[in-house]
Amino acid sequence: AQSVAQPEDQVNVAEGNPLTVKCTYSVSGNPYLFWYVQYPNRGLQFLLKYITGDNLVKGSYGFEAEFNKSQTSFHLKKPSALVSDSALYFCAVRDGGYSTLTFGKGTMLLVSP
Amino acid sequence: DTAVSQTPKYLVTQMGNDKSIKCEQNLGHDTMYWYKQDSKKFLKIMFSYNNKELIINETVPNRFSPKSPDKAHLNLHINSLELGDSAVYFCASSQDRGLINEKLFFGSGTQLSVL
Repeated sequence: AQSVAQPEDQVNVAEGNPLTVKCTYSVSGNPYLFWYVQYPNRGLQFLLKYITGDNLVKGSYGFEAEFNKSQTSFHLKKPSALVSDSALYFCAVRDGGYSTLTFGKGTMLLVSP
Repeated sequence: DTAVSQTPKYLVTQMGNDKSIKCEQNLGHDTMYWYKQDSKKFLKIMFSYNNKELIINETVPNRFSPKSPDKAHLNLHINSLELGDSAVYFCASSQDRGLINEKLFFGSGTQLSVL
């Protein structure tokens, strides 16, 4: 079985500061990892994914994520936060093959001016 | 043009009623999904169709019946609505079900409130 944990319900950061949204996963095979963002009253939007290759993955809007196999983590990062980054962020994992995406419970990111 | 569109955006109804939510995608994708997001924002898959064929049916009450008239449409019909059905329902699509690196495209959601 596959699972995803996002240990923080909310992350607060000041504009201009770096941000990290944490995600850990559990799979039986190779993990395929994703980050999605949900703005208020909108559907989820794809940010980035890790399938194989470089552990640091770059995505939309200046976000990046680092895959760490030993720690089974895939934390989302951005060097300098913007107020417009405030949204709900979901980590998701797929265990390969035809398995479905399993989403974490989401982390609300609030960036203050 | 909206890639994945679902209607209605808001649905308020009484317990016991039957209602439908419609979803259409214009991306040419083969696979469509229904997800339920509860009040705590937890997102859980309900159904998935690939080329009009049901491929995923999670533990969902049989009051929920998806229907896919063609691969561009996946509608969700709910019978005998209950208070616990109140949630936001998201439709999504992807190019194929088997590609492990594929991403999902989501609609903007239908907020269902059962009174």
